[in-house]
Amino acid sequence: GAVVSQHPSRVICKSGTSVKIECRSLDFQATTMFWYRQFPKKSLMLMATSNEGSKATYEQGVEKDKFLINHASLTLSTLTVTSAHPEDSSFYICSVLGQNSNQPQHFGDGTRLSIL
Amino acid sequence: AQSVTQLDSQVPVFEEAPVELRCNYSSSVSVYLFWYVQYPNQGLQLLLKYLSGSTLVKGINGFEAEFNKSQTSFHLRKPSVHISDTAEYFCAVRGINDYKLSFGAGTTVTVRA
Repeated sequence: GAVVSQHPSRVICKSGTSVKIECRSLDFQATTMFWYRQFPKKSLMLMATSNEGSKATYEQGVEKDKFLINHASLTLSTLTVTSAHPEDSSFYICSVLGQNSNQPQHFGDGTRLSIL
Repeated sequence: AQSVTQLDSQVPVFEEAPVELRCNYSSSVSVYLFWYVQYPNQGLQLLLKYLSGSTLVKGINGFEAEFNKSQTSFHLRKPSVHISDTAEYFCAVRGINDYKLSFGAGTTVTVRA
């Protein structure tokens, strides 16, 4: 069964609105989650590492005020795209780090964000 | 830091034919290696992983991969593909003491009847 639940799967909204995407770890408590962005026919670009109970660590070039990450519990991390614009349209995917250090990341099904 | 090169961006193949997807990596430390598959508009699903031990790793859906340390490669193979194997395939690597994954650019496999 699914290890990670990502919601919503698709969202279409007007420019200027904020959009929240949820990522839930279903099988275990996750202190670390990751948020990726994927452009069409491209690989995954790591945006940030979400740490439970502390601030997220953003990759170089990713605006932390634009992409707000909250990891308030051991099973939930949220990504909020603030004041979204058409250039923010993309496929966003979260992942959960496995419980043991040598375990793979488990990925959500992604969120297709379209800003009109 | 690690980097991954997937040598083939697109691989067309006929149904029931074998397929090999090539992956080379670069790292100054020991690594874990992974292959993921992505179907359209979906997240990534783990096909197989190499952590240690036997260099031939078997995964789901009949896929296998071989870790070659001297050539820093981790090529993915399947002896006979199905139409349902049409998807994007990503090779990924991370240092054994790191959490972040580095992904290759992906290989699009298109299986034709």
